[in-house]
Order: sequence, then structure tokens, then C-alpha cells
Amino acid sequence: DGGITQSPKYLFRKEGQNVTLSCEQNLNHDAMYWYRQDPGQGLRLIYYSQIVNDFQKGDIAEGYSVSREKKESFPLTVTSAQKNPTAFYLCASSIVGREKLFFGSGTQLSVL
Amino acid sequence: DQQVKQNSPSLSVQEGRISILNCDYTNSMFDYFLWYKKYPAEGPTFLISISSIKDKNEDGRFTVFLNKSAKHLSLHIVPSQPGDSAVYFCAASAETSYDKVIFGPGTSLSVIP
Repeated sequence: DGGITQSPKYLFRKEGQNVTLSCEQNLNHDAMYWYRQDPGQGLRLIYYSQIVNDFQKGDIAEGYSVSREKKESFPLTVTSAQKNPTAFYLCASSIVGREKLFFGSGTQLSVL
Repeated sequence: DQQVKQNSPSLSVQEGRISILNCDYTNSMFDYFLWYKKYPAEGPTFLISISSIKDKNEDGRFTVFLNKSAKHLSLHIVPSQPGDSAVYFCAASAETSYDKVIFGPGTSLSVIP
């Protein structure tokens, strides 16, 4: 079955720690995205990538970093510079050209 | 500044009636719009889309209407079913930045049996 896999489903971060959220897709999509959802708010774009080895900042990129070494993978690192990391993180992919986004099931990140 | 707005955080509708979810946008460059449905602790799933060259798109019980002059779109669900209870997100993108999709804050729909 084709789809997007996010792991882990739940993640806890200690103060000063970097954590990495995994996102893998087998849909052969060129574009991948990371969104953040806070309670009562919409999805805010963190980073997106149209092709391998290239990515662009979204609206709230500060405190986050990404890499796109393989077409299938787009991991997100939440660095210690992100002071309010508690949120639900969603990864998505699409065929380049504004097709609909396919989302993973999300990762809930909490701060200990 | 929020480019995609959904001014109703929540909506309750009786089963079998029509649900109307509204969305407004400020960026006149947006020319492609999508609606997504989201259950708690899950990723959103695509529902329906509309291009700015159309003013209506229908898919079964779901119809999206677009009023470009008012920068307004709406999603109609007829008839509403309890399984439609979810958060609905409106999203938009512009041809000039076509891989950047902007989402609204969402409207939580409750369909009462």
C-alpha cells in the first residue's frame, strides 16, 4: 500500500535537546512538506521541498531544520532553538504541480 | 497576517440537513483551493478542490462554491451524516508559488443524530 509513514507517533523532548521526526513516502511524489498544528489553529507550514537536495522555508521555519537526501525521505529536526515545540506535526507529499496533499498520521511532540 | 480565514471555529448541524462551511482569503494570487477533513490524532484527508476558472465543483454529497470577486468559498455537505463530524480545513495556493499551500484555521463540524 502506498502512503506516508511518520514516526514516532508520540515523542518527548527534554529541554536543550534536538529531536528528529521521521517522514517516509512511497508514493513517488516529488514534493514534501512539514506542517505544525497547535490546538485551535490551522496548519502552519514549516518547510517544503520540491526536489531532492533542495528545500524552502515556510512561514515558521525558525528553530527547525530539514534535509532531503532521498526522494522518499524528509526528516524534520526540532532544535533546542525552538522554544515552544509542543504541537502536532504533520508531514505531507504531493506530485509537483499543486496536486492534493497526502498526509501522514502525525507526530505529537511534547516537552518534558 | 492570515491569508486564509475560516471565521467559524465550530458548527453544529442536525443529521440530514445541509452543512455550510465558509472560507475567505485575502491573497488575490490564489487560484486553486482545496478542502480537507481531519479526525483527531490523524492526518487530514483531501475532500474536494476547485480551480479559479470554475465557480462550482461537485462530488457526491460535497459541493464547493467559489466567488472570486468576494474572495470567498464555501463547502456544502448535503445531507449531513454523523460520520461527517470532523474538522474541515480550507487551503489555497497560487500558481506563482504553486508548491506552497496555505491552510485556514479550520471549522469543527458536529453532526447531531
